[in-house]
Amino acid sequence: QQQVKQSPQSLIVQKGGISIINCAYENTAFDYFPWYQQFPGKGPALLIAIRPDVSEKKEGRFTISFNKSAKQFSLHIMDSQPGDSATYFCAASLSRASNYQLIWGAGTKLIIKP
Amino acid sequence: SAVISQKPSRDICQRGTSLTIQCQVDSQVTMMFWYRQQPGQSLTLIATANQGSEATYESGFVIDKFPISRPNLTFSTLTVSNMSPEDSSIYLCSAPVGRGTEAFFGQGTRLTVV
Repeated sequence: QQQVKQSPQSLIVQKGGISIINCAYENTAFDYFPWYQQFPGKGPALLIAIRPDVSEKKEGRFTISFNKSAKQFSLHIMDSQPGDSATYFCAASLSRASNYQLIWGAGTKLIIKP
Repeated sequence: SAVISQKPSRDICQRGTSLTIQCQVDSQVTMMFWYRQQPGQSLTLIATANQGSEATYESGFVIDKFPISRPNLTFSTLTVSNMSPEDSSIYLCSAPVGRGTEAFFGQGTRLTVV
């Protein structure tokens, strides 16, 4: 019930291509879905987040698509660049919960080939 | 945004010893989180630390092994006690800032136990 399933585990994309990472959740009470980007030797950093009242959110080359009925959300990276090579984590939480706890996906290691 | 400073950034320790990791936030926060992350893996929550109360530990983590202090609203420490090679991992502190749902992370402490 608390799981967030993320796929693929790893992804190789050519420079300029579209990178797509998918996540699925079970708990319909989740109402906050962030994506974090982590570079080697660094802590995760918030990339973009969405709430279930919208189906899509775009920030620059990064877009979250959200499908509430399917309980799925995905990250799309347009015009992928070598600097986007990192590990990406999806997460979910109950924003109204007092503990602000995030449930994390397993992560996707993205490599952008020049 | 918030800046979270974590130290040490890395350490190599002898088995049986203890290491204390410090986490400093540049603003006051209600909660701080401590995570463990094996290389190439997702984040596993160790405990949640509230100022003025005992930390809340997740299943599989106990206070005797991972004592936590939270003396004020900007600082916390995690001690890894009586270390064994299985404790080798990256330890991350995190805090929700602002509206409470955006979590910021320190850069992590890479611990190697020999």
